[in-house]
Amino acid sequence: SQTIHQWPATLVQPVGSPLSLECTVEGTSNPNLYWYRQAAGRGLQLLFYSVGIGQISSEVPQNLSASRPQDRQFILSSKKLLLSDSGFYLCAWSLETGRTTQPQHFGDGTRLSIL
Amino acid sequence: GQQLNQSPQSMFIQEGEDVSMNCTSSSIFNTWLWYKQDPGEGPVLLIALYKAGELTSNGRLTAQFGITRKDSFLNISASIPSDVGIYFCAGPGTYKYIFGTGTRLKVLA
Repeated sequence: SQTIHQWPATLVQPVGSPLSLECTVEGTSNPNLYWYRQAAGRGLQLLFYSVGIGQISSEVPQNLSASRPQDRQFILSSKKLLLSDSGFYLCAWSLETGRTTQPQHFGDGTRLSIL
Repeated sequence: GQQLNQSPQSMFIQEGEDVSMNCTSSSIFNTWLWYKQDPGEGPVLLIALYKAGELTSNGRLTAQFGITRKDSFLNISASIPSDVGIYFCAGPGTYKYIFGTGTRLKVLA
């Protein structure tokens, strides 16, 4: 069966510091991968998605970037964190079958606090 | 772009009551998904609907794919405290899903 891992679970970082959040998927190949951010009590904001190695689509301009160095690895990065980068970051995966995107499955999230 | 509106935004209910929520889209979908997010965790898929008019159950949860293909409904029967959380609907875009704004459910014991 497929599993998704995100780490770390929580992170406290000072303003201006770099960021690296990692997400890996096991038990499948060539998944679509996604990064979302969720502000407290709010909905899901899609940040980036990837349909293959090295292919990154950005949904909103911001202080963050994403990379997919391997088929089942998705990394969210920042060179200099802002206070507004605080939030709950979720990674998700799905599969394409024919022309249909199958349901997404989410990781447990990373709670990022910027001080 | 496509938007999904969920109603109500939040609700308080008594334990044992039935709950209804809905999701509407500005465009037609061929798939509707319903997720639940517990506090501090990632959303979990509850029900997937693939056909207009389809009615699917998962325990005390029942979801329906609206005939117009622009809406979907989720019902929870006999709510219990662990039903607390945020319920999201979602519909497919290109290589991704569009999520609704969520319905926050709080159950009063």
